Amino acid sequence: QKEVEQNSGPLSVPEGAIASLNCTYSDRGSQSFFWYRQYSGKSPELIMFIYSNGDKEDGRFTAQLNKASQYVSLLIRDSQPSDSATYLCAVRNTGFQKLVFGTGTRLLVSP
Amino acid sequence: DAGVIQSPRHEVTEMGQEVTLRCKPISGHDYLFWYRQTMMRGLELLIYFNNNVPIDDSGMPEDRFSAKMPNASFSTLKIQPSEPRDSAVYFCASSLGQKETQYFGPGTRLLVL
Repeated sequence: QKEVEQNSGPLSVPEGAIASLNCTYSDRGSQSFFWYRQYSGKSPELIMFIYSNGDKEDGRFTAQLNKASQYVSLLIRDSQPSDSATYLCAVRNTGFQKLVFGTGTRLLVSP
Repeated sequence: DAGVIQSPRHEVTEMGQEVTLRCKPISGHDYLFWYRQTMMRGLELLIYFNNNVPIDDSGMPEDRFSAKMPNASFSTLKIQPSEPRDSAVYFCASSLGQKETQYFGPGTRLLVL
């Protein structure tokens, strides 16, 4: 079992729709969760982080965390073509304090 | 701030050659990370430094890989000898504090023929 799992996609949504990206993790003691966006040929950039169960909103982005289910998600409201990218879920490993990344979900937003 | 700087941006070499990748972290950051990204395995941490000292190199795939950080503003990742399976994008990232946001450099695209 991979430490952090994501559906590779692509996830295709029309412009203006809500995109829902999901991630599961295996380390039950993990405390910190991150979403990075990576455009093709570019480096990852942090867009959201969440530490507590529940929802955290930042503009059009909402991160949701459910530690009991070991599940973290990212919702993108009013999706725009410029949101088309690969979204990487990262979890801070409690044992080694390292960030462990999923392989990413590719999102395609069509005009 | 210029952000994390990496060089070269692209490297094409032949199997068996030595490859040296370079990184300049953001000024003042005390943590530096080297990652490798491939389609199959995603983004993997190779090694990280704190105040120029290697803390965890458990991600370094084998002895052909080595990394150094001689001072706070410079780090190298060396592969000797290189193999085709080393072809990947290598990212350097830095942060101010271990638990703080990691800022990634533009990456070095390595192709070993």
